Amino acid sequence: GQQVMQIPQYQHVQEGEDFTTYCNSSTTLSNIQWYKQRPGGHPVFLIQLVKSGEVKKQKRLTFQFGEAKKNSSLHITATQTTDVGTYFCAGPGYGGSQGNLIFGKGTKLSVKP
Amino acid sequence: EPEVTQTPSHQVTQMGQEVILRCVPISNHLYFYWYRQILGQKVEFLVSFYNNEISEKSEIFDDQFSVERPDGSNFTLKIRSTKLEDSAMYFCASSYSRGASGNQPQHFGDGTRLSIL
Repeated sequence: GQQVMQIPQYQHVQEGEDFTTYCNSSTTLSNIQWYKQRPGGHPVFLIQLVKSGEVKKQKRLTFQFGEAKKNSSLHITATQTTDVGTYFCAGPGYGGSQGNLIFGKGTKLSVKP
Repeated sequence: EPEVTQTPSHQVTQMGQEVILRCVPISNHLYFYWYRQILGQKVEFLVSFYNNEISEKSEIFDDQFSVERPDGSNFTLKIRSTKLEDSAMYFCASSYSRGASGNQPQHFGDGTRLSIL
């Protein structure tokens, strides 16, 4: 079945350092979404990428969708302690007809002040 | 901002017992989902629901699972005879539409932590 692979599994950074998580799919994706889950919380939607090669920015967060629409990345510039959490990418799952998502395993980010 | 609400926040049940998890999706949303997350692992899709019927389900969603929208606001997940491996956080999510590109942002509830003893 369709899989979405995500690396690294964990990332520990000093506050102020940059952070990147990468997502790869075995198949071409019509779109990819990114979610953030704070410790003990629920996934919160960050962004959706649809177009090949698309780049979107949200303040210190930069999201990219690969040209082949099989990979994506999230880059955080100058991390802050508020960035702590697990970042998941998610692609359309199964038939993709009704919007269910297949999540990657996530990258757990910890930020040392 | 409207949100998805789930009850209870924590459910402890004996193995073999039935459990019902409840969700109130955002009021104008049309698509509803259940996901589960075993502690420390990724979020796994269980089932999607649209127009009063199941539209997609995963291999996890076997005959022990069922969903229902008993009225205009609630969306429930029932596990008929719980097993130890059903212990997980169960998230309900909703979205307004499927969208032209096939996915729309999904809004998740806070989850119900299910513990099977």
